[in-house]
Amino acid sequence: GQQLNQSPQSMFIQEGEDVSMNCTSSSIFNTWLWYKQDPGEGPVLLIALYKAGELTSNGRLTAQFGITRKDSFLNISASIPSDVGIYFCAGQSLGGNEKLTFGTGTRLTIIP
Amino acid sequence: DVKVTQSSRYLVKRTGEKVFLECVQDMDHENMFWYRQDPGLGLRLIYFSYDVKMKEKGDIPEGYSVSREKKERFSLILESASTNQTSMYLCASGGVDEQFFGPGTRLTVL
Repeated sequence: GQQLNQSPQSMFIQEGEDVSMNCTSSSIFNTWLWYKQDPGEGPVLLIALYKAGELTSNGRLTAQFGITRKDSFLNISASIPSDVGIYFCAGQSLGGNEKLTFGTGTRLTIIP
Repeated sequence: DVKVTQSSRYLVKRTGEKVFLECVQDMDHENMFWYRQDPGLGLRLIYFSYDVKMKEKGDIPEGYSVSREKKERFSLILESASTNQTSMYLCASGGVDEQFFGPGTRLTVL
């Protein structure tokens, strides 16, 4: 099955730094989603994007739906300790069913 | 508060055992999903169901089956567990923009 290329695989940053991660696909998606998974929990939806070029914010998080429909970006500004976790992108391809394709995840660690 | 619950957080089974993982949602969603999560591979879809008694194979259905007898309950079955099925299993319900996940079941097959 298809998987999305997500990078970086892991990040070690200091509290207060900004974070950027991205996802790329060889095929077009009509919806992009970003999830966060805390340790020992299931993923929780952070941001949903529905139109090419769309830029959406949720507090310190900003995500963009790439113009080509083949990529998406997530930025976190002024990171705090509770940002630690694994971030997943997910896309739904054209075709109308409800399946999502997930990225491989970016593990964020904050160094005190 | 919306909820997806999974029957066990941790499970240890022996090779060859039949394993049932249960998932229940209280949101009246039609769609339910089973994923497995492995380091470096992200979430991979095993099976999904879009209605009672309806199921479709995901990307990695081999070695698994599912059952959906009631709308709120979706079960994942490992007919004969193998060590390569050691993984984190996540259940979800909803649609594209509202997939809600359970806390996961970490299954170890010895």
